[in-house]
Amino acid sequence: EDKVVQSPLSLVVHEGDTVTLNCSYEVTNFRSLLWYKQEKKAPTFLFMLTSSGIEKKSGRLSSILDKKELFSILNITATQTGDSAVYLCAVGSTYNTDKLIFGTGTRLQVFP
Amino acid sequence: KAGVTQTPRYLIKTRGQQVTLSCSPISGHRSVSWYQQTPGQGLQFLFEYFSETQRNKGNFPGRFSGRQFSNSRSEMNVSTLELGDSALYLCASSRAQETQYFGPGTRLLVL
Repeated sequence: EDKVVQSPLSLVVHEGDTVTLNCSYEVTNFRSLLWYKQEKKAPTFLFMLTSSGIEKKSGRLSSILDKKELFSILNITATQTGDSAVYLCAVGSTYNTDKLIFGTGTRLQVFP
Repeated sequence: KAGVTQTPRYLIKTRGQQVTLSCSPISGHRSVSWYQQTPGQGLQFLFEYFSETQRNKGNFPGRFSGRQFSNSRSEMNVSTLELGDSALYLCASSRAQETQYFGPGTRLLVL
């Protein structure tokens, strides 16, 4: 059965800290891995990764995929209180579908 | 460009009733997927539509159904509501097999 596992489940840090969120997966015919940030309502898109070893970067956030070891990490440097959210990892397959399989998420709390 | 819109945003129903939720995708997106989000189960895939055809379905009972119209708008219906159907229902749209963008969700409370 396809599955996505995120760790840690929860993380509490102070502003300025650097955090690393982990996502491992077992999916038939992997196509892409996506990271979303969810604050109160809709998940907002962060990154989509399809190739191993190529880092995607947006400001203080970056992510990389390892297709051999079946995992991805999301790094946030110099965290701010506005980074407090649930970070979701999702995986899509190559079959003719847009279905995403989500992990349970990592809840990040950043305190001043 | 307008994002994904969902209506209504909040809904309160009683057990046994039925409900219809609506989703308008981003202009040009033909793929619409629905997810149920609960604190215990996280985001669970309900179904997916592309060009008015259901392309994939998750492990939900037949009380959950959906459809897509020729303008790519989609509706999902839940009949004979149960307490456990209380959840945030999220719709996402994409150009096929590209990034999915989520709407704000409909929060359903079943009493």
